[in-house]
Amino acid sequence: DAGVIQSPRHEVTEMGQEVTLRCKPISGHDYLFWYRQTMMRGLELLIYFNNNVPIDDSGMPEDRFSAKMPNASFSTLKIQPSEPRDSAVYFCASTRGGVGTDTQYFGPGTRLTVL
Amino acid sequence: GQSLEQPSEVTAVEGAIVQINCTYQTSGFYGLSWYQQHDGGAPTFLSYNALDGLEETGRFSSFLSRSDSYGYLLLQELQMKDSASYFCAVPTGGFKTIFGAGTRLFVKA
Repeated sequence: DAGVIQSPRHEVTEMGQEVTLRCKPISGHDYLFWYRQTMMRGLELLIYFNNNVPIDDSGMPEDRFSAKMPNASFSTLKIQPSEPRDSAVYFCASTRGGVGTDTQYFGPGTRLTVL
Repeated sequence: GQSLEQPSEVTAVEGAIVQINCTYQTSGFYGLSWYQQHDGGAPTFLSYNALDGLEETGRFSSFLSRSDSYGYLLLQELQMKDSASYFCAVPTGGFKTIFGAGTRLFVKA
């Protein structure tokens, strides 16, 4: 399997622009997570999906952030409008649901810089 | 609230043994995970403890004491490539996982 795929790997944009991050989870995994990592706040869970349905979006910082999962193999995280404080590495991760483990497989991340 | 505490930095020499501790406070406990992250890379899963005791996987071992809300990651025969950040993490119900702030391990020659 190719692992979790994210695109783009790097994104530089100007404040006020819309940013869309993309993720393809590992085939067969029914949970998908979006995380944000910064030096100040560490690794934060933004939202997660189960079988394409958003389960917990309490980590989404504000209404400028939205996430969708239209099918089992694709998810997007959108920021509109973007702000400099959104600069971070955004990771997508997936896992197969089940009892006894919490192994999450992370994608390579998207490094976002908002100028 | 829910929180995890781990040291911010640890330094050790090549070939040595190092222990990274993690204490947690959660409203419900299901297990303790450890992840490794190299600079510029993604977190990768190392181990998961649901029950008390020691789990060994090659040079890495992980320990859990549920009564003490405490766990540690033990790295033996340290190698330069082990220089990375190590995160403890707890699932809090459903599949929502809280990560610690990470411990940066420096391995010196």
